[in-house]
Amino acid sequence: AQKVTQAQTEISVVEKEDVTLDCVYETRDTTYYLFWYKQPPSGELVFLIRRNSFDEQNEISGRYSWNFQKSTSSFNFTITASQVVDSAVYFCALSVGFASGSRLTFGEGTQLTVNP
Amino acid sequence: NAGVTQTPKFRVLKTGQSMTLLCAQDMNHEYMYWYRQDPGMGLRLIHYSVGEGTTAKGEVPDGYNVSRLKKQNFLLGLESAAPSQTSVYFCASSKDRVRFLYEQYFGPGTRLTVT
Repeated sequence: AQKVTQAQTEISVVEKEDVTLDCVYETRDTTYYLFWYKQPPSGELVFLIRRNSFDEQNEISGRYSWNFQKSTSSFNFTITASQVVDSAVYFCALSVGFASGSRLTFGEGTQLTVNP
Repeated sequence: NAGVTQTPKFRVLKTGQSMTLLCAQDMNHEYMYWYRQDPGMGLRLIHYSVGEGTTAKGEVPDGYNVSRLKKQNFLLGLESAAPSQTSVYFCASSKDRVRFLYEQYFGPGTRLTVT
């Protein structure tokens, strides 16, 4: 069975601070995908990144960066110089089961509040 | 492109009533999914479909049925609604194929309350 743990239920920072959202996953499969999604107050889910288990390169996209470490089964997400618009719930998700579709297992989410 | 749309956006049901939630996508995706989101529990997969005419159970399928008669539509039915089915329901689609997984595109959600 797959499991995703986001231990930080809520994080509150002041604008321009850097913040890291933790994600730890469990799976016995050697081939899997990891995702991050953002859910702003409006409610929709917005895709941020996809990473497969064979690609451990860290990725940077603007103020966002991701640190994938298979040795610790972690896929952490850092926002640099946070802004009020970053306030949202962030979900980490894991997917295996390639023969029958991408069955995402979500973490419980981290509520990020960025205060002005 | 509208992406993924869901109908209705809000609904209030009484215990025992039935209803159908409609999901439509215009991206020609093969795979479609239904999730429910409850406070503090993230999203949980209810049912999914890997193509027209196929459906499969997810993590929490009890009390729900689905149908995928057309590639672009995925229907979620509640035959006899219960208060435990009060939730926000999300539909998603993806262009996944065997051994290659892509991101899922989500609809705006349907907020269902069962009294």
